[in-house]
Amino acid sequence: AQSVAQPEDQVNVAEGNPLTVKCTYSVSGNPYLFWYVQYPNRGLQFLLKYITGDNLVKGSYGFEAEFNKSQTSFHLKKPSALVSDSALYFCAVRARNTGGFKTIFGAGTRLFVKA
Amino acid sequence: DTGVSQNPRHKITKRGQNVTFRCDPISEHNRLYWYRQTLGQGPEFLTYFQNEAQLEKSRLLSDRFSAERPKGSFSTLEIQRTEQGDSAMYLCASSWGLPAYNEQFFGPGTRLTVL
Repeated sequence: AQSVAQPEDQVNVAEGNPLTVKCTYSVSGNPYLFWYVQYPNRGLQFLLKYITGDNLVKGSYGFEAEFNKSQTSFHLKKPSALVSDSALYFCAVRARNTGGFKTIFGAGTRLFVKA
Repeated sequence: DTGVSQNPRHKITKRGQNVTFRCDPISEHNRLYWYRQTLGQGPEFLTYFQNEAQLEKSRLLSDRFSAERPKGSFSTLEIQRTEQGDSAMYLCASSWGLPAYNEQFFGPGTRLTVL
């Protein structure tokens, strides 16, 4: 079965420190991986994606993520956290299904950045 | 604003009533998705349209749920004989191009409360 796991419900980090939000996946075939962010009272916003190529992908707002095939992980990272990064982050995997491609989301990780 | 819009933003209804939600995708997007999100969970896939064709429906979508996209533009999601378990945030997203590779653009959601 295809699945996505975000093992941490919440991540706390001080402003200026590096942050990591973890994601692991299970999918048959090639994985297409995405990160989205959700701010209060707003829809999910796309941050970055891995389709193929370089394992390190860069996205919006200074975020990056590293695809690790052997560990089936796609962790989200940022070198220096900002208070404004505080939000709910979702990892997603897109995998081929009977009707086409289906996106499966993780349960989300809430990031708190303290000033 | 050329993003995805959803109406209404909030809906409170009594158990047993029917409700209908509307989604207006980004105009050039040919794919439209409906998701349901409950507290503490990531979005769960409900159904997916490519233009006006409904290509896939989740097992989560009981026969009380129906979705349409009559002209390949806006979409409606109807829930008949609502139950308290239907209370959730209903999200709409749209995308274009290759379904595997391209990110989805989400609307702000419609929050349904069934009393």
